[in-house]
Amino acid sequence: EAQVTQNPRYLITVTGKKLTVTCSQNMNHEYMSWYRQDPGLGLRQIYYSMNVEVTDKGDVPEGYKVSRKEKRNFPLILESPSPNQTSLYFCASTFGGEQFFGPGTRLTVL
Amino acid sequence: AQSVTQPDIHITVSEGASLELRCNYSYGATPYLFWYVQSPGQGLQLLLKYFSGDTLVQGIKGFEAEFKRSQSSFNLRKPSVHWSDAAEYFCARSNAGKSTFGDGTTLTVKP
Repeated sequence: EAQVTQNPRYLITVTGKKLTVTCSQNMNHEYMSWYRQDPGLGLRQIYYSMNVEVTDKGDVPEGYKVSRKEKRNFPLILESPSPNQTSLYFCASTFGGEQFFGPGTRLTVL
Repeated sequence: AQSVTQPDIHITVSEGASLELRCNYSYGATPYLFWYVQSPGQGLQLLLKYFSGDTLVQGIKGFEAEFKRSQSSFNLRKPSVHWSDAAEYFCARSNAGKSTFGDGTTLTVKP
């Protein structure tokens, strides 16, 4: 089944404790993105990647890192999480302009 | 910077009534435009997309949207709303991997 998977789905952590949210797609898509969704603000793009080793900043990249060492994986790294990064995070892969979204990761930073 | 505006935060319609959700985008060459729907607790699903050509595009679930370059608009329509259409709707544009979403419109359907 073609899909985008994210792990973990839920995470509660404390300020400053490094974490990684994984994202994997099995559709061989070149483009992948990370978004955060906050009430009333829609989805805001954090980073995107056009292919292996090619990444670029979206609209809200501060406090986040990404890497794209393999085509299928696009992890999101929070080196030192802060409470304002509490949000719902979505990974997506893109083909033909259509984005296929993962199920989301709800992150709470205390 | 590209932007997308959805002027209506919340819309309520009666079941069976027609629906129009508004979307305006900032001017840019060859906008790729999309409408997505998000049901409570779910991810986003693509309803329809516009890249070029016919300005009236058909999507899934009976939705359509019309691209109007002169008005920088890409409004979503449905002739007869069903209770299952209650959800949040997002308009989006993209260009070479960079995507911008509107803030969303929440649709409530009255019985």
